[in-house]
Amino acid sequence: QKEVEQDPGPLSVPEGAIVSLNCTYSNSAFQYFMWYRQYSRKGPELLMYTYSSGNKEDGRFTAQVDKSSKYISLFIRDSQPSDSATYLCAMTTGGSYIPTFGRGTSLIVHP
Amino acid sequence: NAGVTQTPKFRILKIGQSMTLQCAQDMNHNYMYWYRQDPGMGLKLIYYSVGAGITDKGEVPNGYNVSRSTTEDFPLRLELAAPSQTSVYFCASAPTGGSYNEQFFGPGTRLTVL
Repeated sequence: QKEVEQDPGPLSVPEGAIVSLNCTYSNSAFQYFMWYRQYSRKGPELLMYTYSSGNKEDGRFTAQVDKSSKYISLFIRDSQPSDSATYLCAMTTGGSYIPTFGRGTSLIVHP
Repeated sequence: NAGVTQTPKFRILKIGQSMTLQCAQDMNHNYMYWYRQDPGMGLKLIYYSVGAGITDKGEVPNGYNVSRSTTEDFPLRLELAAPSQTSVYFCASAPTGGSYNEQFFGPGTRLTVL
């Protein structure tokens, strides 16, 4: 079993839909949870991060962590075609400088 | 700041050839990384460095070598290229002391080995 599991998709949704992207993990020592967004033919960029459990909201994006279930989610409200990208989850233990990445989920938002 | 820069953007190699992928950052980050990304497979760590003169292997180091003589530069050397090394290569850097280790990625080098 991989440490971080993420469905590669693609996930295709109409513009305006609510999108849910998810990762599961097995290492209970993970404390920091991150979402990177990668546009086609570009490098990944950090979108959001959360520490431990709970929710964090930034505009149309909400990151959610459920440590008891070892499950993290990224919600995108009112999705736009410009949100079309690959979304990679990443996580680290406290003090670690090597994150563990998921495979990434390809999201396509069509007009 | 230019951030993380990588050269070349594209390269085609013949089997058995060698090349160096260049990576530089101007953010004074101590941590630097090399990843490869194959379609649908996420990022696999090749090598990383925690400072000048210090490097260590990641998950998939075979067929690659690195050096870190300065804080700014972290070149990746491919010796005896093989078709299995066809991939997109990303260099990344991260600051020391950050709690969640945000990584800053370069634009990538697309390598094809024929």
